[in-house]
Amino acid sequence: EPEVTQTPSHQVTQMGQEVILRCVPISNHLYFYWYRQILGQKVEFLVSFYNNEISEKSEIFDDQFSVERPDGSNFTLKIRSTKLEDSAMYFCANWGQGNEQYFGPGTRLTVT
Amino acid sequence: TQLLEQSPQFLSIQEGENLTVYCNSSSVFSSLQWYRQEPGEGPVLLVTVVTGGEVKKLKRLTFQFGDARKDSSLHITAAQPGDTGLYLCAGDNNDMRFGAGTRLTVKP
Repeated sequence: EPEVTQTPSHQVTQMGQEVILRCVPISNHLYFYWYRQILGQKVEFLVSFYNNEISEKSEIFDDQFSVERPDGSNFTLKIRSTKLEDSAMYFCANWGQGNEQYFGPGTRLTVT
Repeated sequence: TQLLEQSPQFLSIQEGENLTVYCNSSSVFSSLQWYRQEPGEGPVLLVTVVTGGEVKKLKRLTFQFGDARKDSSLHITAAQPGDTGLYLCAGDNNDMRFGAGTRLTVKP
């Protein structure tokens, strides 16, 4: 069964540093999403991406965040200058044509 | 902001019992999804409901979407310890909003 993969599985970074989280989506899926989940809290929508453009973004997705699909396959989330409160699990998800959304295993980001 | 309220927040039952968990909102959704999430892992999709009043069954799990597409329920029959986990609902209206989840514990 095809699956979404994410790298790295765990990233530790210092406050103020830039991080790039990577996702390899399921091929032929059209919609891509990033979510975050702070430890013990709910899954929060960050941004959706369709046809190489941001489709929707939440209030969390401010100027410090950006998304790209640089090579037509990988899907990245960049945080320009990390803050302590950015520490969370970040999940990439894909939405296919069958109303099904598949999540990756997540990247645990720890900002120190 | 579309809020999804899930209840109960925690549920602990004995093996063999039946249970229902709820997902409610004041917003109408084009579709609603139920997920199960294990600690440290991503949510795993259980079902998507699209039509108001729709009922879907997945073995011992029965999912219902409210007629007005604002709420949903998940019923588990004869719960087993393997059903233990965090059950999340998420509503779709161009973005996906998740509820906080119901943490289910099934004791043998």
